[in-house]
Amino acid sequence: NAGVTQTPKFQVLKTGQSMTLQCAQDMNHNSMYWYRQDPGMGLRLIYYSASEGTTDKGEVPNGYNVSRLNKREFSLRLESAAPSQTSVYFCASSEALLATGNNQPQHFGDGTRLSIL
Amino acid sequence: AQSVTQPDIHITVSEGASLELRCNYSYGATPYLFWYVQSPGQGLQLLLKYFSGDTLVQGIKGFEAEFKRSQSSFNLRKPSVHWSDAAEYFCAILSGGYNKLIFGAGTRLAVHP
Repeated sequence: NAGVTQTPKFQVLKTGQSMTLQCAQDMNHNSMYWYRQDPGMGLRLIYYSASEGTTDKGEVPNGYNVSRLNKREFSLRLESAAPSQTSVYFCASSEALLATGNNQPQHFGDGTRLSIL
Repeated sequence: AQSVTQPDIHITVSEGASLELRCNYSYGATPYLFWYVQSPGQGLQLLLKYFSGDTLVQGIKGFEAEFKRSQSSFNLRKPSVHWSDAAEYFCAILSGGYNKLIFGAGTRLAVHP
C-alpha cells in the first residue's frame, strides 16, 4: 500500500523556470492538499481539493496553480519559479469532509525538496 | 482566527527521561486537535488525535496527549524517551471545512544517549 506518492523527490530550478509537482494517492480519498514547509513556520496550506473537479485556495496560493486530474492525482504547478518558493512541498489526502462528521486525519507523502536559484 | 502555538523550537532530553511538548491553540469552539511526527527526510505521521470525549488521548509509539480546555492546551507526553524519538513534532488544529489543518511551527526533539 503506497499511500501518497510524490514525484520528484528533489528538484533544482532556475528563477523563471516552470515546474509541476506530481501527487497520487491510492486510498480512494476524496480530499487532497498541497502544503509548503519552511523552517520555523510549520506547514502552510497552498491549495486544496475537496473532491474531484474542485480546487480552492489555501493560506499561501500566490505563485501556484493546481489541477485535480482525477480522484487519485493532484498536481501543483509553478509557472515562473522564484527563490521565495524554495521549500519542501508536501501533498496530503484525507477520507472525509467535515460536514459528514467523520473527521479523518490527513495522510502525507514524503515531500518534494525544491530549490530555486 | 484559529492558530496553533508551539512555544519550544528545540528540546533536548536524555534517553529514558520523560518528555512533554507544549501546544496551545486559539479556537472559538471545541477543537479537533492532532499531533504529527516528522523524521528527517520523511513525511508526517499521525501520532494521535482528539475529537471529543476522554481528554487523555493515547497514540502510537507510547505517546499520549491531554486536552485542557481551560488552558487551551494539548500537550504531548511520553514517560520514557527512546533515541528513535528524535524528530520534529507538529501540533495541528482542524480549520473550517474539508479537513483543512493549521499547523504549529514545530518542535525539534534531540535525544542524548
